[in-house]
Amino acid sequence: RKEVEQDPGPFNVPEGATVAFNCTYSNSASQSFFWYRQDCRKEPKLLMSVYSSGNEDGRFTAQLNRASQYISLLIRDSKLSDSATYLCVVKGGATNKLIFGTGTLLAVQP
Amino acid sequence: GAVVSQHPSWVICKSGTSVKIECRSLDFQATTMFWYRQFPKQSLMLMATSNEGSKATYEQGVEKDKFLINHASLTLSTLTVTSAHPEDSSFYICSASRTANTEAFFGQGTRLTVV
Repeated sequence: RKEVEQDPGPFNVPEGATVAFNCTYSNSASQSFFWYRQDCRKEPKLLMSVYSSGNEDGRFTAQLNRASQYISLLIRDSKLSDSATYLCVVKGGATNKLIFGTGTLLAVQP
Repeated sequence: GAVVSQHPSWVICKSGTSVKIECRSLDFQATTMFWYRQFPKQSLMLMATSNEGSKATYEQGVEKDKFLINHASLTLSTLTVTSAHPEDSSFYICSASRTANTEAFFGQGTRLTVV
């Protein structure tokens, strides 16, 4: 079983749609959680950290459920510029390293 | 945010030659840097953790004699792919953070093609 699992997609949605991505992680000792965005042939960039209380940044909302070891990202009012791969990233445990999911590809259509 | 610069951004080399990739933290000191590899349509896979002034820690399955890592200063880590082969062709990315518990910033990545 992979340490961080995501639905690879692709998710093809029209502009203005709301889309949700899910992620599960296997190491219960993980301490920090993030969503990164990666554009084609570019490096990943931090989108937002994820907290148990949930956090929102504009059109983006992230949630963490430690009991279920589940992380989510909600994007409202999708824009064409949101098209990218969204990486679920987990850190912590014994090694404190960043562990990446395979990413979910989002394609927002005009 | 902080800036991590990686050089070169792309390189094409002949099979059997060695390639050096540099990773620099431009505006902060990084005790630890990480090297990742990403094959097409796959996720980033951690290759090794580079520690300033000490030996790198390699992930299972990564050959330390093939992927030489040097972290000679708090702002520079290098990855040398020795005797490169076509199967080493990949996207290599470094990351750095001020401390183990703060945000990691990524270099722009190096696309290596071995012909």
